[in-house]
Amino acid sequence: QKEVEQDPGPLSVPEGAIVSLNCTYSNSAFQYFMWYRQYSRKGPELLMYTYSSGNKEDGRFTAQVDKSSKYISLFIRDSQPSDSATYLCATENVAYSGAGSYQLTFGKGTKLSVIP
Amino acid sequence: NAGVTQTPKFQVLKTGQSMTLQCAQDMNHNSMYWYRQDPGMGLRLIYYSASEGTTDKGEVPNGYNVSRLNKREFSLRLESAAPSQTSVYFCASSPGVAGQQYFGPGTRLTVT
Repeated sequence: QKEVEQDPGPLSVPEGAIVSLNCTYSNSAFQYFMWYRQYSRKGPELLMYTYSSGNKEDGRFTAQVDKSSKYISLFIRDSQPSDSATYLCATENVAYSGAGSYQLTFGKGTKLSVIP
Repeated sequence: NAGVTQTPKFQVLKTGQSMTLQCAQDMNHNSMYWYRQDPGMGLRLIYYSASEGTTDKGEVPNGYNVSRLNKREFSLRLESAAPSQTSVYFCASSPGVAGQQYFGPGTRLTVT
């Protein structure tokens, strides 16, 4: 079993919809949880990150972590066509890291299309 | 401030040829990484460098070598390319803050 599982989609929603993207992970030692956004033929860019359980909000985006169920979510409110991209969840296990080098484990990504 | 730059953007190789992918960052980051991204496989770590002068294997290091030339530059070398190495290669750097990695635009490599 891969350590981070993510439904690859694709997911297609109308403009203005609320989008829910989800990942599950298997290693309870993971402590940092990230969402990266990747536009077509571009490199991933960090969207949000959270430490341990709880919610974090940034504009239209909310990241949620439930460590008891090992579940990571990203919610996008009032989705826009410019949100069309692939969204990658990622986790970081500090036990794998040293000397300031943090190794991330990525999900396979969910491709989102927001239709005008 | 260019961030992370990668050259070349595209490359086609024949089986058995060698090449070096170049990566440079201007953010004064200590850590640098090489990933490959394949359809259905996601991003997989090839090698990383925690600081200048150190390198370590990631999840899929076979067939690759790396050099951390200085703090800015981290190169990836394919000594004898194979079709299985057809992929998109991303370089990333990190300021040493958990979860924060900054990616380059990628190199699309095809091995025939």
